[in-house]
Amino acid sequence: DVKVTQSSRYLVKRTGEKVFLECVQDMDHENMFWYRQDPGLGLRLIYFSYDVKMKEKGDIPEGYSVSREKKERFSLILESASTNQTSMYLCASRAPAGSYGYTFGSGTRLTVV
Amino acid sequence: GQQLNQSPQSMFIQEGEDVSMNCTSSSIFNTWLWYKQEPGEGPVLLIALYKAGELTSNGRLTAQFGITRKDSFLNISASIPSDVGIYFCAGSSGGSNYKLTFGKGTLLTVNP
Repeated sequence: DVKVTQSSRYLVKRTGEKVFLECVQDMDHENMFWYRQDPGLGLRLIYFSYDVKMKEKGDIPEGYSVSREKKERFSLILESASTNQTSMYLCASRAPAGSYGYTFGSGTRLTVV
Repeated sequence: GQQLNQSPQSMFIQEGEDVSMNCTSSSIFNTWLWYKQEPGEGPVLLIALYKAGELTSNGRLTAQFGITRKDSFLNISASIPSDVGIYFCAGSSGGSNYKLTFGKGTLLTVNP
């Protein structure tokens, strides 16, 4: 069965820390995505990558960066964590061409104190 | 950018009742998807729709791709407690645009 694995389910970090959220998929998918989910706001796209070393900004990229050095791994980086980045972060990868469904990871709930 | 309006925002129903929710878009989509997110988990794909007018079922779930291509509907028949979760619609314009636009979700609570 296909899998998207996020390295941490829960994280607590201090304001100003550099935070790395890791996501690994085992499906050889080209496209990977990072979303944040907040009550009442749904899923908002932060960054996506359509191939190794390729990335594009989503709707809310400010305060975030990403890294895609290998096809299976897509990392989200909070350069200097702030309390307004407390959220649920979801990673997804996209099924092969011709199918638009995403496979999501279980999410990382990040709290910045 | 593209926007999806999903309604209702939340629903409280009794076990056995039928449920309907819908999404409308300000622009045309070529694909509509419905996801369910259970507490503490990521969203899971329920139904995918690829043609205007298409009606697709998955067990007690039925979804339709609106004929105008600007809306979609999800119905759940004879709800059970494990139907609890957040249901998201998502749409794609297709082609080289592989990004999905998500609705804000419908929170479903089923009272046994």
